[in-house]
Amino acid sequence: EPEVTQTPSHQVTQMGQEVILRCVPISNHLYFYWYRQILGQKVEFLVSFYNNEISEKSEIFDDQFSVERPDGSNFTLKIRSTKLEDSAMYFCASLKATTRTSGRQETQYFGPGTRLLVL
Amino acid sequence: AQKITQTQPGMFVQEKEAVTLDCTYDTSDPSYGLFWYKQPSSGEMIFLIYQGSYDQQNATEGRYSLNFQKARKSANLVISASQLGDSAMYFCAMREVNTGFQKLVFGTGTRLLVSP
Repeated sequence: EPEVTQTPSHQVTQMGQEVILRCVPISNHLYFYWYRQILGQKVEFLVSFYNNEISEKSEIFDDQFSVERPDGSNFTLKIRSTKLEDSAMYFCASLKATTRTSGRQETQYFGPGTRLLVL
Repeated sequence: AQKITQTQPGMFVQEKEAVTLDCTYDTSDPSYGLFWYKQPSSGEMIFLIYQGSYDQQNATEGRYSLNFQKARKSANLVISASQLGDSAMYFCAMREVNTGFQKLVFGTGTRLLVSP
C-alpha cells in the first residue's frame, strides 16, 4: 500500500541553523500539508499546499518557514533560522479525495514524522 | 473557541473489553468530516476512521466504529475487543469541507492503556 515517507526520522541542530525536512507524498495525491506536534501537545496545522502554491498557512508559519515542491515528488519544509521552540515532531500529510454519493471523503495520510531537536 | 474537545486525558480498559473515546466538535459549516487517528509510542499518526457530516450511517472499520450523533455534535470512537496493541494516544480531528481542501483541526487526545 502506498505511503507517505519522511526523511530524516530525527534531526538535531543548533539554534540559528537552517533545516530542511523532506517528504515524499503518495504519488497520485494533489494536496500536501505540514503539521507539527510539540512534545506532549496536540497536532497543529502549519501549511497546506496545492497546485504549486500555499493554499493556507497558520500563524505559526511565519517568515522563517517555507515550503517547496521542487521536482514533482518531494515536498520540503525549510526552517531558515531555527529557534529552541521549533523543537517538535513535524508531520507531512497528503490528501486522498474520493467522491461518494453521500458526500466527499478527504482522508489525509500522514508520514511517520521527523523529530526535530534544536539545541 | 475549541473546535474539537476530547475530555478524557486517559482511559483504561481490560483486554477484550470495549471502550469508548469521547469527542465533541463545534462548527457552523454544514459540510464537514470527522477523523480519528491513532498515535502509538513510536510517534506516527495512523488513520483509523472517517465520518462525513452527511453520512446516513455510522462509520465502521473492523474493530473501530464511530458513534456519530450530529445533533449533539459528538463523534465518539468505539473500539471493540480491545487488544494490548491498542495502547496509544487517540486524536479526534475535523475538517470543514466548505473551506476547501484545507487543514485538520485536532483535539488534545486521549491516552488509552489496555491492560492484560
